[in-house]
Amino acid sequence: EVQLVESGGVLVQPGGSLRLSCEASGFDLKSYSMNWVRQAPGKGLEWVSYISSTITGSNIYYADSVKGRFTISRDNVNDSLYLQMNSLRAEDTAVYYCARSRPTAYFDCWGQGTLVTVSS
Amino acid sequence: EIVLTQSPGTLSLSPGERATLSCRASQSVSSSSLAWYQQKPGQAPRLLIYGASSRATGIPDRFSGSGSGTDFTLTISRLEPEDFALYYCQHYGTSRFTFGPGTKVDIK
Repeated sequence: EVQLVESGGVLVQPGGSLRLSCEASGFDLKSYSMNWVRQAPGKGLEWVSYISSTITGSNIYYADSVKGRFTISRDNVNDSLYLQMNSLRAEDTAVYYCARSRPTAYFDCWGQGTLVTVSS
Repeated sequence: EIVLTQSPGTLSLSPGERATLSCRASQSVSSSSLAWYQQKPGQAPRLLIYGASSRATGIPDRFSGSGSGTDFTLTISRLEPEDFALYYCQHYGTSRFTFGPGTKVDIK
């Protein structure tokens, strides 16, 4: 069974840092592009970051709202995806989902999400 | 940057009725890069339609997608109780992904 499980979401103060993890199982992580998508409380979905499959290269993209503060990475040996989040702001408060994307760029598998709360 | 607009914001219908949800792009987009998702409270989104009209694995055939250019439609032919949820369209552009604001389908 294809599964994604996020972890690492906690309450953090503004200006703080946090690393989210997403553990993949049931498929070969290195063959897929992966993403982080977030959803603020009561709001819609916002794509955060993309990392291409190891096979197709090392393309990485970020939404303008997180560029320069967040870093996406992957560990294919441990079947894990990460999101390093620095200089956190109140507006970064959201449930963060990891999601697998297909070549034509839709998200076919999602984790259950992990809640990040940025507050003093 | 392409902006997706969804209408209506809320659709109030009864079980058994037909639901028609619209997604409009601010400029013409490739049909291959347009997808639809369903999200229920407290759950992750679920892929329904990709490539504007292809159903994802396990999605019932009462869900269908259509459209091209700037106008896309998700149709639920006969609403089942489990179909009352939020629906998002999504597009992949140059180095970015965009979601529409969503349409809520609720029980009338």
